[in-house]
Amino acid sequence: GAVVSQHPSWVICKSGTSVKIECRSLDFQATTMFWYRQFPKQSLMLMATSNEGSKATYEQGVEKDKFLINHASLTLSTLTVTSAHPEDSSFYICSARDPGATEAFFGQGTRLTVV
Amino acid sequence: GNSVTQMEGPVTLSEEAFLTINCTYTATGYPSLFWYVQYPGEGLQLLLKATKADDKGSNKGFEATYRKETTSFHLEKGSVQVSDSAVYFCALRLKGAQKLVFGQGTRLTINP
Repeated sequence: GAVVSQHPSWVICKSGTSVKIECRSLDFQATTMFWYRQFPKQSLMLMATSNEGSKATYEQGVEKDKFLINHASLTLSTLTVTSAHPEDSSFYICSARDPGATEAFFGQGTRLTVV
Repeated sequence: GNSVTQMEGPVTLSEEAFLTINCTYTATGYPSLFWYVQYPGEGLQLLLKATKADDKGSNKGFEATYRKETTSFHLEKGSVQVSDSAVYFCALRLKGAQKLVFGQGTRLTINP
């Protein structure tokens, strides 16, 4: 299947700093990517849909100024958590859908810890 | 609205036991259905899928059949292994839509 690579796998940052997470589709072009947040022992919560060359579409309740999404190319989307606080600590997962496939492919996730 | 309901976990079984994880859905159209698996500390991997009624998806000994009449997509495996321990997510995607709708996940633990 197609490969989606997410980086970094884990990151620890201080409160008030910003953290960038990258999501790359390695062997296909993804016009749309998705960013999820997962709390311990819970399901995935869709945060936003990232569209190449245009603004992301955020789900209700997600602060767009705090979670900045950029999808500058067909193979790369980034999520920047700005002015991070301990409550932003979570597991963040991206996914992308190969236009030629039915299913979506997921990155390996990023464990963010804000101290 | 569109939703997916999964069997509540956690589920604990002994090795070589038979596994069923129930999944039912509500959808306004005719969705494609998926089972994803998440191993500890990792993202999701597609386990199997079915795109229309009566289709059977299968992979690694797991099977699920798209049952339109009961709006179900139950996951089964005849003989589980310790390595099957993971969280399993049932999901749907409406035709023409981009978003996946996930169930709440079922944590499976297989004891030797």
